[in-house]
Amino acid sequence: EVHLLESGGGLIQPGGSLRLSCAASEVTFSNYAFTWVRQAPGKGLEWVASISAIGAPTKYAPSVRGRFTISRDNFRKTLFLQMNSLRAEDTALYYCARGINAYLENAVFDSWGRGTVVTVSS
Amino acid sequence: EIVLTQSPATLSFSPGERATLSCRANHNIGSHLAWYQLKPGHSPRLLIFDASNRATGIPARFSGSGSGTDFTLTISSLEPQDFAVYYCHQGSTWPLTFGGGTKVEIK
Repeated sequence: EVHLLESGGGLIQPGGSLRLSCAASEVTFSNYAFTWVRQAPGKGLEWVASISAIGAPTKYAPSVRGRFTISRDNFRKTLFLQMNSLRAEDTALYYCARGINAYLENAVFDSWGRGTVVTVSS
Repeated sequence: EIVLTQSPATLSFSPGERATLSCRANHNIGSHLAWYQLKPGHSPRLLIFDASNRATGIPARFSGSGSGTDFTLTISSLEPQDFAVYYCHQGSTWPLTFGGGTKVEIK
């Protein structure tokens, strides 16, 4: 069973930047696509961004495209989310999730972390 | 964008009862639908993928059905640990989307 551990969340002012990380325990990290999903307080799940096993292609939700960048380091078994120009509406619990294969098509997420909280407020 | 509608938002049952949850898509998504369970303080858990396939380790009381635009998650006999929020998710079309969730609460 893979363990995913997110970090990097915190309190940030509007317009600021944060970089989230998701460290994976498994050796086969490089075999899988990964995704960030968020949950705003009192709301449901929202897909944020996805990346294939080899780092391209990537996909973004319209609400974050141009502000967020998903990337990965397969040697360090770590997924990243660089978040710039943060807004109050980006406040959420951010989860990383593993896809069931290397590709972005027909996405299904079979392992999730516990999440890291991002709060955007002045 | 594929909009997934889960209604009602809340369902109330007693342990042992059968629960049927609905998820409707505004366009045909074939069988590319998954169901997740979310409990406070826990990570989301994949239950069903490709509309009707149980994920590894998921008990047989959970089953999924449907295709096209109408999908159902059935819990045949509710256990105390099954009271949670359930989300459907489509992986067919970008942007990926989730339903608004159905909370299964104890009556």
